[in-house]
Amino acid sequence: DGGITQSPKYLFRKEGQNVTLSCEQNLNHDAMYWYRQDPGQGLRLIYYSQIVNDFQKGDIAEGYSVSREKKESFPLTVTSAQKNPTAFYLCASSNEWGTNTEAFFGQGTRLTVV
Amino acid sequence: SQKIEQNSEALNIQEGKTATLTCNYTNYSPAYLQWYRQDPGRGPVFLLLIRENEKEKRKERLKVTFDTTLKQSLFHITASQPADSATYLCAPGGGYQKVTFGTGTKLQVIP
Repeated sequence: DGGITQSPKYLFRKEGQNVTLSCEQNLNHDAMYWYRQDPGQGLRLIYYSQIVNDFQKGDIAEGYSVSREKKESFPLTVTSAQKNPTAFYLCASSNEWGTNTEAFFGQGTRLTVV
Repeated sequence: SQKIEQNSEALNIQEGKTATLTCNYTNYSPAYLQWYRQDPGRGPVFLLLIRENEKEKRKERLKVTFDTTLKQSLFHITASQPADSATYLCAPGGGYQKVTFGTGTKLQVIP
């Protein structure tokens, strides 16, 4: 089955630690995205990648880092510099950047800092 | 800056009625607008896309309108069912601008 997979579903992190969230897609999509969702708020864009080996900051990139070494993979690292990392993180992909094509989302990773 | 507004309050309707959700945007001229459904603890799922030159789009019990003069999109679910209960997100986008999501409206269909 084609789709986009995020892992793990739940993640607990101690303060001061970096943590990496995985996102893999087998849809052959060029564009991939990371969003953060907080209770009662919309999706806020953290980083996006239009093509392999290229990525751009979104609206709330501070404290996060990404890489796009392979077309199918777009991992997100939440660093200790992120002041309030507890949130629901969503990865998405689409056929092309910015065109009128739908985005496919993973099931999300809920990160909790303990 | 770009702003998208959806009713932050939950919408409660009786089963069988038509639900109408509103998406307003400002400082923005999107070429298209998407609607997604999100269930609790899950990622959004794409429902419909409407382009700026389309006034209305339908898919089964769903209907979307797009008024570029009013800068507004309406999302209708006819003959609503309890299974339609979810949060619905609008997402204007276009050209090489990033797709931006609204905060969503929570719909509760009461049996």
